[in-house]
Amino acid sequence: GAVVSQHPSWVICKSGTSVKIECRSLDFQATTMFWYRQFPKQSLMLMATSNEGSKATYEQGVEKDKFLINHASLTLSTLTVTSAHPEDSSFYICSASNRGGTQYFGPGTRLLVL
Amino acid sequence: GQSLEQPSEVTAVEGAIVQINCTYQTSGFYGLSWYQQHDGGAPTFLSYNALDGLEETGRFSSFLSRSDSYGYLLLQELQMKDSASYFCATNSGGYQKVTFGTGTKLQVIP
Repeated sequence: GAVVSQHPSWVICKSGTSVKIECRSLDFQATTMFWYRQFPKQSLMLMATSNEGSKATYEQGVEKDKFLINHASLTLSTLTVTSAHPEDSSFYICSASNRGGTQYFGPGTRLLVL
Repeated sequence: GQSLEQPSEVTAVEGAIVQINCTYQTSGFYGLSWYQQHDGGAPTFLSYNALDGLEETGRFSSFLSRSDSYGYLLLQELQMKDSASYFCATNSGGYQKVTFGTGTKLQVIP
């Protein structure tokens, strides 16, 4: 089946620093990638939808200047958490959608901001 | 907007059958999916219902009633490894945006 990877799998950073998370579709071209955030014991909340070569569409309440999304190619999307704070600590999951609309989820990135 | 409600927790005995319900309120409904997520892991796709009725995949079955805005996931012959969180989800929009339900934590006990 299709494989989506994320890097890093976990990251610990100091408050105020920026963290970049990569999402790659390894064996297919992803027309659309999605970024989710999941706090402990809660559901996955969609943050933004990104299409290759265009600006991401952010969900209501998600700060686009804080969560920068770049989708430079059909196999790579990046999420940068700028000036991270402890409340940004969460599990960030990407998914990639092929032309048929099937979504494949990455393994997630656990972010801890101290 | 989209809203999908599930029971927060369910406990069942190994070998038994359990049903996890999902009621939804959505605009532009295309179908109902089910995902399994183990602690610390990413969600994995289980099943998808676009039309009313029952879809069976091994020990797991999923049901949808569009007129009732309701669906359920049925797990049979429960195994300890089935202990996980289960999410119903709908997809909508031209980009197949997925909205997840509130999630049900299933605990299988011996």
